[in-house]
Amino acid sequence: AQSVAQPEDQVNVAEGNPLTVKCTYSVSGNPYLFWYVQYPNRGLQFLLKYITGDNLVKGSYGFEAEFNKSQTSFHLKKPSALVSDSALYFCAVRDIGSSNTGKLIFGQGTTLQVKP
Amino acid sequence: EAGVVQSPRYKIIEKKQPVAFWCNPISGHNTLYWYRQNLGQGPELLIRYENEEAVDDSQLPKDRFSAERLKGVDSTLKIQPAELGDSAVYLCASSPRLAGFQETQYFGPGTRLLVL
Repeated sequence: AQSVAQPEDQVNVAEGNPLTVKCTYSVSGNPYLFWYVQYPNRGLQFLLKYITGDNLVKGSYGFEAEFNKSQTSFHLKKPSALVSDSALYFCAVRDIGSSNTGKLIFGQGTTLQVKP
Repeated sequence: EAGVVQSPRYKIIEKKQPVAFWCNPISGHNTLYWYRQNLGQGPELLIRYENEEAVDDSQLPKDRFSAERLKGVDSTLKIQPAELGDSAVYLCASSPRLAGFQETQYFGPGTRLLVL
């Protein structure tokens, strides 16, 4: 069965420093991977996705993610964090297995706290 | 372009009462999803529609939950009767239909339900 793990409940970084939010996945075939961000009392905002091609994916607001097939990881990164990046981040994998439902399976989420 | 619209944004009811949530997807999006997000967790799919057809409702508790998308546009999710454990955020998402499940899902702001 497909699954996603976000090993850190919270990540703390200082403004201006690089940030990394970790995500690992487990799928039976090729993964479709997504990152979303959720601000308080708001829905999920799409940041970026990996379908195929270049392992480094660039997305919204200066975020990027690197797909690593050997490590089954899809970590979210940003070279210089902003206080406004503080939010809840979700990694998700698309289930394209035998059931063919195409549903998104989400991790538990990682709270990013950027301090001035 | 307008995003996914949901109403109400907040709802407080007593247990055993009925409740309904409404969603209007992004114009032109054939696929509509209802997710439930419990506190501190990632969203979990309840039901997926392709136009007016429910193609995946395996996670929908059918004894008390129902959904409809009669004209293939907006959708209603209903709970009757509500239980304490139904307290959660109910998220609606929509996407265009692309081959191979490569499409991005776009989420609405959600309805926060509190059952007392």
